[in-house]
Amino acid sequence: AQKITQTQPGMFVQEKEAVTLDCTYDTSDPSYGLFWYKQPSSGEMIFLIYQGSYDQQNATEGRYSLNFQKARKSANLVISASQLGDSAMYFCAMRGVSGSARQLTFGSGTQLTVLP
Amino acid sequence: EADIYQTPRYLVIGTGKKITLECSQTMGHDKMYWYQQDPGMELHLIHYSYGVNSTEKGDLSSESTVSRIRTEHFPLTLESARPSHTSQYLCASSEEGWTANEKLFFGSGTQLSVL
Repeated sequence: AQKITQTQPGMFVQEKEAVTLDCTYDTSDPSYGLFWYKQPSSGEMIFLIYQGSYDQQNATEGRYSLNFQKARKSANLVISASQLGDSAMYFCAMRGVSGSARQLTFGSGTQLTVLP
Repeated sequence: EADIYQTPRYLVIGTGKKITLECSQTMGHDKMYWYQQDPGMELHLIHYSYGVNSTEKGDLSSESTVSRIRTEHFPLTLESARPSHTSQYLCASSEEGWTANEKLFFGSGTQLSVL
């Protein structure tokens, strides 16, 4: 079984500063993908960034980057130059390629609040 | 971006009522999913479908049922709603194939409150 752990229930960051949201994972699949989703108070889930287990470089998407450390099984999300609109719940998720691991598994989320 | 629609956005009903939560997508995706999410908590997979006439139960046991008669439509039904069913229900879809980078596209969710 695969598992995602997000140990920060809530985080605060000052506007324009960078923030790191932690995510660790556990899986027996040799090939897997890691995702981050943003969920604003309106409820929809918005895809932010993806990292493949065999990708040589860390993924980046605009102000979002994923700090992938395979040996430590961590996939932390870094948001640079935080904006007030970044205030939301952030979920880390993973998918393997075999059996039930093919379904996306989510962590418990981190509530990020950006302060003006 | 995939277009995936859920109705209603909010639903408040009394105990014992039968309800159907609608989910439709216009991208022709074969795979569709229903997730249940309590406030501030993680998403739990309750149902999924690989295509027409295919439905499977997810990791979290649910009293709801689903059907997949058309590719674009994946409704969820509760025959007799109870207060314990109060939650947010999120529908998602993805393209065919099983790859690690397969991305899910989500609808806006239905917030269900059973009194």
